[in-house]
Amino acid sequence: AQSVTQLGSHVSVSEGALVLLRCNYSSSVPPYLFWYVQYPNQGLQLLLKYTSAATLVKGINGFEAEFKKSETSFHLTKPSAHMSDAAEYFCAVSPINTPLVFGKGTRLSVIA
Amino acid sequence: KAGVTQTPRYLIKTRGQQVTLSCSPISGHRSVSWYQQTPGQGLQFLFEYFSETQRNKGNFPGRFSGRQFSNSRSEMNVSTLELGDSALYLCASREGTGGNEKLFFGSGTQLSVL
Repeated sequence: AQSVTQLGSHVSVSEGALVLLRCNYSSSVPPYLFWYVQYPNQGLQLLLKYTSAATLVKGINGFEAEFKKSETSFHLTKPSAHMSDAAEYFCAVSPINTPLVFGKGTRLSVIA
Repeated sequence: KAGVTQTPRYLIKTRGQQVTLSCSPISGHRSVSWYQQTPGQGLQFLFEYFSETQRNKGNFPGRFSGRQFSNSRSEMNVSTLELGDSALYLCASREGTGGNEKLFFGSGTQLSVL
């Protein structure tokens, strides 16, 4: 079965610092990969997705992620954190013809 | 376009009761999925409906059921509620069922079972 592991349930960074949220997946075939963000008291919204067109994927709000097949990773980065980035982030893998499988999430705190 | 609408926003029930949650997808979307979100387990897939047919089902007991109507609106029902059913229930819609299609989520229904 496909699965997603997010390293670190909570990450704290200073405003202006690099954001790095880690995601590793298990998949026997190249999957579709997603990052979603959830702000307090809201549903999830898509940040970016990988669909094999390019290994470096740019998303909204300055986030990007790089697909590395050799490492089975899809880490999310942002060069400079803003206070508004504080939220919970979910990595997800979409196997063929089966539902999205989400990681357990990483809560990002941004310190002024 | 209006987003995914879930009602009610909050629910408080007692053990043994049943509950029905409603989800209206984005206009034109025929696929509706349901997820249970809890602090310990993250998001767990409940089921997905497409054109009134259940396409996939997660690993939940039979107390959890759902259906989809001809206008794509969906309901999920939980019977004989248990304390562990307390969670945020999220509904998501998409146009089709392709693996690369993004999901649009509602704000969820927060269910508390006392």
